[in-house]
Amino acid sequence: DQQVKQNSPSLSVQEGRISILNCDYTNSMFDYFLWYKKYPAEGPTFLISISSIKDKNEDGRFTVFLNKSAKHLSLHIVPSQPGDSAVYFCAASASTGNQFYFGTGTSLTVIP
Amino acid sequence: DTEVTQTPKHLVMGMTNKKSLKCEQHMGHRAMYWYKQKAKKPPELMFVYSYEKLSINESVPSRFSPECPNSSLLNLHLHALQPEDSALYLCASSQGLDYRTDTQYFGPGTRLTVL
Repeated sequence: DQQVKQNSPSLSVQEGRISILNCDYTNSMFDYFLWYKKYPAEGPTFLISISSIKDKNEDGRFTVFLNKSAKHLSLHIVPSQPGDSAVYFCAASASTGNQFYFGTGTSLTVIP
Repeated sequence: DTEVTQTPKHLVMGMTNKKSLKCEQHMGHRAMYWYKQKAKKPPELMFVYSYEKLSINESVPSRFSPECPNSSLLNLHLHALQPEDSALYLCASSQGLDYRTDTQYFGPGTRLTVL
């Protein structure tokens, strides 16, 4: 059973607008969350992370929001650029036990 | 050098073959990982090596045999695989030893097809 879900397989956004990628999780023990970006024929690259003691983390154009009560996190990209077109994976982990799971990914297309 | 390299890029093998996947990093990272990713599925952690020692085996079948000959190199030996083992095999490394929170650097993967 998938413990980390990205319910939107794909998303298209106009250049300059905001991209919002969503991720839901089921395990309340998860306390650290990461986003990775993957271009075709390349491995995933780390983008941004957030600990459960925070509800927001920002790095340049990228902001991750965490809503623990809803077991939901989102990645905001503002403004979106064509080079942001990639597959985005969220990942969640728990500090107890060997728990580390990726979501299924969302393919983002930024239209020039 | 911030790169993780994997060879080969593509591999086709029969169910009776023995083959190996190779992964290298020269970033001085202390932990290395193998993941398996099937089509339209997320990467799934298979093995974690910390300081060249196997620290986590996520209940992977014995037909997959990892090996870490030195701190820069990680191999995955394959024997008697099944067609359902066809997938993209990703290698990653991290400076820290906590795979749950440390930034992992991924290679491009080896696309494996088992006939």
